[in-house]
Amino acid sequence: QKEVEQNSGPLSVPEGAIASLNCTYSDRVSQSFFWYRQYSGKSPELIMSIYSNGDKEDGRFTAQLNKASQYVSLLIRDSQPSDSATYLCATPLAGSYQLTFGKGTKLSVIP
Amino acid sequence: EAGVVQSPRYKIIEKKQPVAFWCNPISGHNTLYWYRQNLGQGPELLIRYENEEAVDDSQLPKDRFSAERLKGVDSTLKIQPAELGDSAVYLCASSLDVPSYEQYFGPGTRLTVT
Repeated sequence: QKEVEQNSGPLSVPEGAIASLNCTYSDRVSQSFFWYRQYSGKSPELIMSIYSNGDKEDGRFTAQLNKASQYVSLLIRDSQPSDSATYLCATPLAGSYQLTFGKGTKLSVIP
Repeated sequence: EAGVVQSPRYKIIEKKQPVAFWCNPISGHNTLYWYRQNLGQGPELLIRYENEEAVDDSQLPKDRFSAERLKGVDSTLKIQPAELGDSAVYLCASSLDVPSYEQYFGPGTRLTVT
């Protein structure tokens, strides 16, 4: 199993809906997780971080971490066409400062 | 505050030719990262610098890749000779401190090797 796995999508949701992006991880990573957003042809941009079990909310974004099940999610409420991008899940390898990224999930929000 | 600056933005070269990428991190950021991102994949770390010291270069293909950050500020990544499989986007990122996973990425250099 790879350290971080994501469904590459594409995931299509209608405007105004909730988009749910998921990431599973192995035992070889630490317990800090980061969501980066990458628009087509652009560089990744950090949008959320989560370090402890449970939910963390920031505006329309909610990150959820479930350590027992080894998954982390990003929920986007009231999705907008401007949210259309690839969302990358990242986490450091255990005992390392090296971030390892998933392949990313491409989200399309349909007007 | 200016972001991470990279140049060139695009580069097309023939295989076996050398190529160099330049990065200037955000002012005051001591840690600098070079990543490679292949199409449809997440970024993969090539090398990490803390000031002028390369502290993690385990993923750098040392037979053809080299990097330097002589004065602890800007950095250069070189490939010599380039191979077809080197075609990718090369991203530079910086962060204020280590450990910090709040990394700020530059726009990247898209390399095409023909």
